This record gives sequence, C-alpha cells and structure tokens, in this order.
Amino acid sequence: EVQLVQSGAEVKKPGESLRISCKGSGYSFTNYWITWVRQMPGKGLEWMGRIDLSDSYTNYSPSFQGHVTISADRSISTAYLQWSSLQASDAAMYYCARLWAGGTAIDYWGQGTLVTVSS
Amino acid sequence: QSVLTQPPSTSGTPGQRVTISCSGGRFDIGSNYVYWYQQLPGTAPKLLIYRNNQRPSGVPDRFSGSKSGTSASLAISGLRSEDEADYYCSTWDDSLSAVLFGGGTKLTVL
Repeated sequence: EVQLVQSGAEVKKPGESLRISCKGSGYSFTNYWITWVRQMPGKGLEWMGRIDLSDSYTNYSPSFQGHVTISADRSISTAYLQWSSLQASDAAMYYCARLWAGGTAIDYWGQGTLVTVSS
Repeated sequence: QSVLTQPPSTSGTPGQRVTISCSGGRFDIGSNYVYWYQQLPGTAPKLLIYRNNQRPSGVPDRFSGSKSGTSASLAISGLRSEDEADYYCSTWDDSLSAVLFGGGTKLTVL
C-alpha cells in the first residue's frame, strides 16, 4: 500500500526556519516525483514545486521560487519542504503528494502538515 | 486566481446528477490529461478521476469524467450526502512546466 506520512503540526514565529517532512513507503521511492501543495485556510490548492527522486532535480512555481526549498534524502525515502525565514503569510496546511505520469500528475497524497506562524 | 476555471459552488438533492466544469487553455487541458480530486471536510484530497475519465479502484461508478478540447467536466450521478465535498480539477501545463489546479468547487447536498 502506497503511503505518504508527513511530520506533525508546527507552531513557529515569524523569521524562524522550518523543515517539514514526507516519508514514502509501499513503492519504489526513487521511481517517482514528490510535489508539495499549499492550502491556506478556507482556500484552494496551490502547487509549489516538485522534486524528481531519481536525480533530485527540482522545479518550482514562480509564486514560491526563492521562498522555499524542496529536497530529499533517498536513503530514508523522505522528501522535505523548508523555509529559512517564515512569514505570517506562510501559515497554511501543506500536503506532499506523489507524482506519476512523468512527474505531471498526482496520484497519492500525504495527510497534511499544519504550519502556524504567529508572534 | 487559478488558471483553470471552476464554478465556486454547486448543489443538488440526493439522487440527482450534478456536473462540475473545468475550463483551461491550449497548453494545459488542451494538451494534457485532466485529473479530479475530492476533498472531504478536514481531510486530504483524494484522486477521483485520472486521465480524463478513468476511475481508480474503489471509486464508485457514480463518478465520471470527460474532456473536450480545452474543457473538462466531472459528473456525479445518484448524489449522496457523503459526496458533499470540495472538488478540484488539475492538469499539467507544458509552457509553465507546472501542475495546475482549478479553484475548486464546493458541492452541497441539500
């Protein structure tokens, strides 16, 4: 069974750094891509970027380029989303998801990680 | 503002058939498969339809998808109360090298 298990909820202050994780199991991790999707409270889904687990190639949505970093540790089948300096506007639910079809479509989703940013 | 356009809301009564539209352009829906996701309240999205009209194992055949040109639609027949959720269309954009989502449609079962 394919599973993506994300790290737990986080409460941070503006300016702090943060890294959240997404561990894949039940499939060959390096044969797929992982993507991250933001959902702000009461809003829709926003695509942030993706990473090819075979070679760690990444590409980002222009809306998120330079503000977040997507990375992975293939040895532990885990992908990461990190911020070096959080802003209040980063408060949201973040989902990781598996991309198939050459990295263009989502088939499985993680359960989500809620990030709260408040002074 | 989403690149893929969906109606913000729709509603129906139990047993009815409802459709949700998703409109895009030449380099996204016009060139790629469309996917639909269901997000029940307080949960992560779930794949509902893939490659325009295919249902993953476990998705009831009450759900169906179609695509024509630069538009797609999701149909739900025999509406049930448990179908009350947000529905999102998605596709790939060749020019942006990005996954696109529609703005989402909130389905209310009256």
